[in-house]
Amino acid sequence: SAVISQKPSRDICQRGTSLTIQCQVDSQVTMMFWYRQQPGQSLTLIATANQGSEATYESGFVIDKFPISRPNLTFSTLTVSNMSPEDSSIYLCSHLMNTEAFFGQGTRLTVV
Amino acid sequence: AQTVTQSQPEMSVQEAETVTLSCTYDTSESNYYLFWYKQPPSRQMILVIRQEAYKQQNATENRFSVNFQKAAKSFSLKISDSQLGDTAMYFCAFTGGSNYKLTFGKGTLLTVNP
Repeated sequence: SAVISQKPSRDICQRGTSLTIQCQVDSQVTMMFWYRQQPGQSLTLIATANQGSEATYESGFVIDKFPISRPNLTFSTLTVSNMSPEDSSIYLCSHLMNTEAFFGQGTRLTVV
Repeated sequence: AQTVTQSQPEMSVQEAETVTLSCTYDTSESNYYLFWYKQPPSRQMILVIRQEAYKQQNATENRFSVNFQKAAKSFSLKISDSQLGDTAMYFCAFTGGSNYKLTFGKGTLLTVNP
């Protein structure tokens, strides 16, 4: 499996600001995914990030709020823009290998 | 659309005993995969076990095994000889079709008591 390094592991941010989360994979992968896990909840897919094309967003998530970059096959970023307390969640990136998903360590975001 | 249902929000078990976590799913896909993931307090999502829908044999990984009932769309996880380190949130997940997106259940918080 390809190992994912995600950072930051946690952050506390002021409302109205933006935070960019980074995920680095130690080998090339075709598909990367970004998930949100609200407090005490399950994981919800935000978007699928493919290299060389725009991300595909799930219902309820928009590019202006969660812009995603995928400049190459080993790296992706998710930005949480114009944050509000409702954005306080754990954000996880993952990649796919042989139909099996592997996850980063997660970013715990608190918006105050 | 696919759905995954975990009807047990919390469960507890004594160390060394056996526990079964339930999961049901709904899909119109014929080719799909099912997973159990473990999320300890560290937040890291760890794959516990996977099952390919086309395989009739139930998957087994050491102390972890599944009971896959395709017709009933049921996919339960059995943990034998429970250990304190098994304490975690367990998520059942499904992927099918060509987009490889994972759909997760709401999770079951398992506590192993000494």
